[in-house]
Amino acid sequence: DVKVTQSSRYLVKRTGEKVFLECVQDMDHENMFWYRQDPGLGLRLIYFSYDVKMKEKGDIPEGYSVSREKKERFSLILESASTNQTSMYLCASSSRSGRPPDTQYFGPGTRLTVL
Amino acid sequence: RKEVEQDPGPFNVPEGATVAFNCTYSNSASQSFFWYRQDCRKEPKLLMSVYSSGNEDGRFTAQLNRASQYISLLIRDSKLSDSATYLCVVNPPTNKLIFGTGTLLAVQP
Repeated sequence: DVKVTQSSRYLVKRTGEKVFLECVQDMDHENMFWYRQDPGLGLRLIYFSYDVKMKEKGDIPEGYSVSREKKERFSLILESASTNQTSMYLCASSSRSGRPPDTQYFGPGTRLTVL
Repeated sequence: RKEVEQDPGPFNVPEGATVAFNCTYSNSASQSFFWYRQDCRKEPKLLMSVYSSGNEDGRFTAQLNRASQYISLLIRDSKLSDSATYLCVVNPPTNKLIFGTGTLLAVQP
C-alpha cells in the first residue's frame, strides 16, 4: 500500500512566523503535490514536483515555496504566515507509470491555523 | 465556467436507495477521470477510475460520456458507510488533476 505521511496533523502558528510542512512518501513516486482545501473551494494546487530539485507553480503559489531535495520528501514553506493561509494542507504523490496513470495518493492532511 | 462542476448536494437518501451523481468538465482534451471519496476531516481516497466503456466495482458504477463531457457515479443499495463527499476528478493533458468541489452524500437509517 502507498503510504504518504505528513509531519503534523494540527498546527497553530502566529502571523509572520515561518512554517514548514513536511511530506514523505514511501513508494518511490516521481510526482509530488501540495494542495490546500477550503470549504466551498475544493482542492487547489499550490506547487508540484516531477523530480528531485524540480518544482512548478500550481494555481495558487503566492505566499508559498517548496523544496524537494530527496525523491521521497516534499516540503511546503510558508515564508511569513498570514491568517488567510489558515487551511487544510494536503500532500499527494503519484507515479508516472501508475496503474491507472495519474492516480494520486494523499497524506492525512495538516490543519493549519494562523492566529 | 469552472473546469469541473458538481452539484454540492447534500443528497439525503435512505439506506438501500440508489443514488447518482453527475459531474461536467470543460476541457474536451481531458484524458483521465476519477471519483475520489473523502470522509469528514480525512484525506481524499481513490474510489474508482472512469473509463470510456464504463466500469463497475460492486455497488458502484462509473460512466464517462465524452460527447457531452460528463461523468457519472451510481451507487446502488446505499449503506450508512457510504456517507461521504464524492469528488469528481479530471486530468486535462497536463498531468495536474483538477478536482471538483465535491458532492455530499448522507445515507439515513
